[in-house]
Amino acid sequence: DQQVKQNSPSLSVQEGRISILNCDYTNSMFDYFLWYKKYPAEGPTFLISISSIKDKNEDGRFTVFLNKSAKHLSLHIVPSQPGDSAVYFCAASAPNTGNQFYFGTGTSLTVIP
Amino acid sequence: GAGVSQSPSNKVTEKGKDVELRCDPISGHTALYWYRQSLGQGLEFLIYFQGNSAPDKSGLPSDRFSAERTGGSVSTLTIQRTQQEDSAVYLCASSLVGGGASETQYFGPGTRLLVL
Repeated sequence: DQQVKQNSPSLSVQEGRISILNCDYTNSMFDYFLWYKKYPAEGPTFLISISSIKDKNEDGRFTVFLNKSAKHLSLHIVPSQPGDSAVYFCAASAPNTGNQFYFGTGTSLTVIP
Repeated sequence: GAGVSQSPSNKVTEKGKDVELRCDPISGHTALYWYRQSLGQGLEFLIYFQGNSAPDKSGLPSDRFSAERTGGSVSTLTIQRTQQEDSAVYLCASSLVGGGASETQYFGPGTRLLVL
């Protein structure tokens, strides 16, 4: 039962343009969301997070938007750079799930120089 | 300081054999997590350690899977009588304190397990 879904397995974007990665969730109890970035043969690295009390969090070129009513979050990268090419996972947790994070299946982003 | 390390990086085994996967968390991190990623799937939570105890084992897929942590540091994930569906990348992560969802988890590079 996939509670966090990333419906786009891949995305290609031209360098300098905006990359938008999407994530949908089903559990309305989720109150904390994260994005991780993963390069081949490496573990995921934390990128940015947002709690449900906010609808936007920005960190440099990365912005995460949360739409609680739609149970949707997105990661915007602008401007996109070739080094951003990686697999991006979104993850969510709820107060009653302790330390269990639910991850999406990932979106592979390719930024074309 | 070193990050989370895992060994072996790759493991090929025959169906029915037992395997042990090792995780060395970041020094001083109290919490340790095991996940696995099967082909085409998201990261699947397996187990969480707070110190040497495992308050949450809810993700272990069967009784063939077990994990332990000693000295509040190294953890081993053991899979007995491996099956082909156990083939996946097994990822370990650690965090400083644990007990809070907002704490960043730092991941190791993973162990790629292939069961023939």
